[in-house]
Amino acid sequence: EPEVTQTPSHQVTQMGQEVILRCVPISNHLYFYWYRQILGQKVEFLVSFYNNEISEKSEIFDDQFSVERPDGSNFTLKIRSTKLEDSAMYFCASRSGSTGELFFGEGSRLTVL
Amino acid sequence: SQKIEQNSEALNIQEGKTATLTCNYTNYSPAYLQWYRQDPGRGPVFLLLIRENEKEKRKERLKVTFDTTLKQSLFHITASQPADSATYLCALNSNSGYALNFGKGTSLLVTP
Repeated sequence: EPEVTQTPSHQVTQMGQEVILRCVPISNHLYFYWYRQILGQKVEFLVSFYNNEISEKSEIFDDQFSVERPDGSNFTLKIRSTKLEDSAMYFCASRSGSTGELFFGEGSRLTVL
Repeated sequence: SQKIEQNSEALNIQEGKTATLTCNYTNYSPAYLQWYRQDPGRGPVFLLLIRENEKEKRKERLKVTFDTTLKQSLFHITASQPADSATYLCALNSNSGYALNFGKGTSLLVTP
């Protein structure tokens, strides 16, 4: 069964460093998403991406964040200068155009020290 | 502002009973509503989608109702099993249709 894959599963970084989280969405999907979940809190929408551009973003997704789809398979989230409060689980998700359901990856846990 | 509210307290039930979880929303005009399951440390997994013109939808032991007048959805698990223990998330699309926003989730614990 096709799945969304994310790397790395866990990354530890120092405050102020740049981090890139990678995702390979399901191959025929058209819509791509990043979410974050701080420990014990809810799954929060960050950004959606369609037709090679950001279709919607939340207030959390400020200038420190960027997304890219550099080729036909990868979808990346970059955090330019990490802060302690960026420590969270980051989930990538994708969906086809025909249904509303999202397929999530297993997440990348980011720890900022 | 838009809100999705779910029972914040954990729901503990005995195996074999029916679990009922509630999702209320404000300032959304959803074309459909979704339910997901999340296990600790894992990504959410899609369970059911119900459209605004559907009152009820079933899938195996799961049943979802959707009342757009009350702005509420109920999620039922019949004949619950310990393996059903997880957090259940209600989700709605933003008005633009692109973002899917989640409630905080309700933690369900089914004991033998």
